[in-house]
Amino acid sequence: AQKVTQAQTEISVVEKEDVTLDCVYETRDTTYYLFWYKQPPSGELVFLIRRNSFDEQNEISGRYSWNFQKSTSSFNFTITASQVVDSAVYFCALCSSNTGKLIFGQGTTLQVKP
Amino acid sequence: EAEVAQSPRYKITEKSQAVAFWCDPISGHATLYWYRQILGQGPELLVQFQDESVVDDSQLPKDRFSAERLKGVDSTLKIQPAELGDSAMYLCASSLDWDRIYEQYFGPGTRLTVT
Repeated sequence: AQKVTQAQTEISVVEKEDVTLDCVYETRDTTYYLFWYKQPPSGELVFLIRRNSFDEQNEISGRYSWNFQKSTSSFNFTITASQVVDSAVYFCALCSSNTGKLIFGQGTTLQVKP
Repeated sequence: EAEVAQSPRYKITEKSQAVAFWCDPISGHATLYWYRQILGQGPELLVQFQDESVVDDSQLPKDRFSAERLKGVDSTLKIQPAELGDSAMYLCASSLDWDRIYEQYFGPGTRLTVT
């Protein structure tokens, strides 16, 4: 079965703090893709990153970084020096090439206070 | 930049009424998806089209929901009759083809409130 677990329902930080959003996934497939999306209050899903299962290199994009570890089936997302504009719901998702379905986690609501 | 278009953005309807949502995918995209996102949860696939054909509608409540993509371009999702539990965000997405599912582009969504 395919499953994505985001154990943190809500996180609240003060601006400029670093914050890590956890994502643990389950799949038996060897080829799959992992994603992070941001959903601001307006509701649209904003694509942040996609990684395939063969690429475990960590990635950094500005204040965002992602840590992909197949050994622990985790794909964690860190925001460095958080800003109020980072306040949103963040979703981790899994797409297996076998099932062809995009499976989302329950989401983590991040509140960054000034 | 090409985008997935959806309308309306917001819809308020009374229970037992019919409601319809429209989606226009990115030009040339053969695969179209409808997702439902209940408040506090992640999006869940309702139906997937490949051109005008339904590929997967296993999660579509077929007693009240219907979806069509007659010419393989834009698509309509209908609910009749609407129930209170249908209040949710309905998201449309498209990808170039079935084997590019990992490159889905999402529209802005239609937020439905059933009263």
